[in-house]
Amino acid sequence: EAGVAQSPRYKIIEKRQSVAFWCNPISGHATLYWYQQILGQGPKLLIQFQNNGVVDDSQLPKDRFSAERLKGVDSTLKIQPAKLEDSAVYLCASSLERDQPQHFGDGTRLSIL
Amino acid sequence: AQRVTQPEKLLSVFKGAPVELKCNYSYSGSPELFWYVQYSRQRLQLLLRHISRESIKGFTADLNKGETSFHLKKPFAQEEDSAMYYCALLYNQGGKLIFGQGTELSVKP
Repeated sequence: EAGVAQSPRYKIIEKRQSVAFWCNPISGHATLYWYQQILGQGPKLLIQFQNNGVVDDSQLPKDRFSAERLKGVDSTLKIQPAKLEDSAVYLCASSLERDQPQHFGDGTRLSIL
Repeated sequence: AQRVTQPEKLLSVFKGAPVELKCNYSYSGSPELFWYVQYSRQRLQLLLRHISRESIKGFTADLNKGETSFHLKKPFAQEEDSAMYYCALLYNQGGKLIFGQGTELSVKP
């Protein structure tokens, strides 16, 4: 089976600019997750979707971050405006259902200048 | 509060030596724990989960509720085991994973 696809792989922007990441989960996976991984730390969940509905976004900085999964398949994560502390790898993962093992994409490495 | 602690940032062993990567958790509910691994230039992938009680690539992990630990063990380390290892706790059985900070395992020839 094809894995979780993410793009772009790398992104460099200046602070206060906006950026968007795209994720295509494994076909048939109902649950989709976005994680933020800061250098030297483990991944931290930002938002979890079940089909096209949000299950958990308690750790998403909603003043600048937004995410959607309109048709219950692909998802985009946006940051506007970016801050220096947003420099991180943004990982997308998907699972068949909520309590099933999560499969991760390669991630997008974001650098803020 | 829910927390996963991996006390070692780096663990260096020689090939053939036993290895134990430590993981401690804090959670008031019934824990479900996982080990994920990330090899160089590869994506994060599931290594094993405690409910499966299986051995993957020679690794095992036993959940010790008394000590709130889920240490990962392998009796004889191989060079190809060199990677980042993350312990993770499933929170509320809703799919939310809480990760530890990770331990880099380096197996020297």
